[in-house]
Amino acid sequence: DTAVSQTPKYLVTQMGNDKSIKCEQNLGHDTMYWYKQDSKKFLKIMFSYNNKELIINETVPNRFSPKSPDKAHLNLHINSLELGDSAVYFCASSYLSQETQYFGPGTRLLVL
Amino acid sequence: QKEVEQDPGPLSVPEGAIVSLNCTYSNSAFQYFMWYRQYSRKGPELLMYTYSSGNKEDGRFTAQVDKSSKYISLFIRDSQPSDSATYLCAMMSSGNTGKLIFGQGTTLQVKP
Repeated sequence: DTAVSQTPKYLVTQMGNDKSIKCEQNLGHDTMYWYKQDSKKFLKIMFSYNNKELIINETVPNRFSPKSPDKAHLNLHINSLELGDSAVYFCASSYLSQETQYFGPGTRLLVL
Repeated sequence: QKEVEQDPGPLSVPEGAIVSLNCTYSNSAFQYFMWYRQYSRKGPELLMYTYSSGNKEDGRFTAQVDKSSKYISLFIRDSQPSDSATYLCAMMSSGNTGKLIFGQGTTLQVKP
């Protein structure tokens, strides 16, 4: 009965590869988010989707492309991975783009 | 200058101590103030939420917001080893479509 789930939990890959992270929420929320947490634990929003519509698109390289097939799912595809992409990526969800957001367990990405 | 400043610590206290965690911010448009707790290798979980100025209490936790000083605090009374975690403050402007701005997080260790 996990509220916000992400797969995979760990991802180790080589520079230049393309990878995807999947997120699902069963809370009935209509808004989902992707955050990036760096090695100093600084958490920064990347994207948000409300009912499959892109709402927030922060200054993120074009290599990152979110996709929301329905309001319960939000995936993140990363092309041409770089060393600097190594981080923990968190998915979150909420009602109506509100402040009370529920986070998933994170996906630890390591680019070698 | 970051929009939200938070002393990263680490902060180490004995069990039973009163803990004070603080954040300052520069954006006067922030209206929603949150504290998230993040255990090691887990996702952030919402601990306290306050709208505008004032105090809010929940068990051993008290959140305070002073908008005139652009300063928020989280107090933990009778701290327990289970409180050992990273505490992240987060803020959002009204009508800002869910864009949370986080502080860097303060790592707290409560020693038995």
